[in-house]
Amino acid sequence: DTGVSQDPRHKITKRGQNVTFRCDPISEHNRLYWYRQTLGQGPEFLTYFQNEAQLEKSRLLSDRFSAERPKGSFSTLEIQRTEQGDSAMYLCASSLAAGLAGAFGPGTRLTVL
Amino acid sequence: QKEVEQDPGPLSVPEGAIVSLNCTYSNSAFQYFMWYRQYSRKGPELLMYTYSSGNKEDGRFTAQVDKSSKYISLFIRDSQPSDSATYLCAMKNQTGANNLFFGTGTRLTVIP
Repeated sequence: DTGVSQDPRHKITKRGQNVTFRCDPISEHNRLYWYRQTLGQGPEFLTYFQNEAQLEKSRLLSDRFSAERPKGSFSTLEIQRTEQGDSAMYLCASSLAAGLAGAFGPGTRLTVL
Repeated sequence: QKEVEQDPGPLSVPEGAIVSLNCTYSNSAFQYFMWYRQYSRKGPELLMYTYSSGNKEDGRFTAQVDKSSKYISLFIRDSQPSDSATYLCAMKNQTGANNLFFGTGTRLTVIP
């Protein structure tokens, strides 16, 4: 296991389309996080899963965003009716229950035209 | 006011220089402090992690936390061109907290 992986690495879409990203965490990590990072800014927290349960969501996560983690393994983040303001790097991180900082994946860069 | 403030730079130093990177914060509940390094178009990688006030050293890297001043620092000794990256500070308020609060990052270039 070489770390957190994310797919796709890049996604270009037109405004109004739906997109879905996938994150595969480190296999023994039961906590999974999604962050969003725009150019020149630090990552901002979106949502958190412990196993398959989504336990926390940021106010940044509008109703167009939905995240799932079926069976407590990989996770998906879907954005419906994309807007230009959704253009960002979407980062996934995972950690053990007692972990504090998590390991980040390489991110999915979304461009909405 | 953002909860975590960080000078975005850019910062350019000659190879071998000592680099000082800093963040200030406003939330006195923050107890865990981290520094991440992020190369262009990559995810952040954890460099240093400290709890509460004090110093922590790891090779060429030293992290300092001054909770009374709400100020944290990362020092890089004998800087190398491979240290060229964006350095992000991050913090959280308790072990069970699920979200990190990041600074904007400081872009560092080490010139050979």
